[in-house]
Amino acid sequence: DVKVTQSSRYLVKRTGEKVFLECVQDMDHENMFWYRQDPGLGLRLIYFSYDVKMKEKGDIPEGYSVSREKKERFSLILESASTNQTSMYLCASSRMSSYNSPLHFGNGTRLTVT
Amino acid sequence: AQSVTQLDSQVPVFEEAPVELRCNYSSSVSVYLFWYVQYPNQGLQLLLKYLSGSTLVESINGFEAEFNKSQTSFHLRKPSVHISDTAEYFCAVRPLNTDKLIFGTGTRLQVFP
Repeated sequence: DVKVTQSSRYLVKRTGEKVFLECVQDMDHENMFWYRQDPGLGLRLIYFSYDVKMKEKGDIPEGYSVSREKKERFSLILESASTNQTSMYLCASSRMSSYNSPLHFGNGTRLTVT
Repeated sequence: AQSVTQLDSQVPVFEEAPVELRCNYSSSVSVYLFWYVQYPNQGLQLLLKYLSGSTLVESINGFEAEFNKSQTSFHLRKPSVHISDTAEYFCAVRPLNTDKLIFGTGTRLQVFP
């Protein structure tokens, strides 16, 4: 069974801090994604990676960066956290599109920026 | 560009009643269609998907969805809901030319005894 693990369930950070959200998948998936989930807005794609060291901006990349040095790990970085980045962050992985693989999600990291 | 509209943000219903959660999409290219479910304090899980073939697809727990190309809809239905179906449901599309999913804003289904 595919497992997507997000390192923290809850995080509280101060404005201006550098924040790292980590995600690991154990099924050798090519694709990895970071979404943020906000009430009434659904899931919005922040960044997407289709291979090691490859990344593509999603719909709301401003204020975020990502790192994918190894296939199984995809990190989301908030260079200088702000209160409007308080949200639930969801990581997901999938095989590349030719396999019509669904997304497999982690349980999420609820980040509060004070 | 693609978009997904879930008009109902909340759907309250009594146990054993039928339910329909609506989903409409807009896309200039062909898409695959998905429904995901999120139980409290959990990530999203795939409920069902339409890739090709029969326009009616079913899940293992009694939900079904029908792809209607002319109305660009993919509504989710269940003839008789249980308390355990209480969750948030997300409709999503994936254009055939990308690996990215675009999600709707979600519908919170609340089942009352």
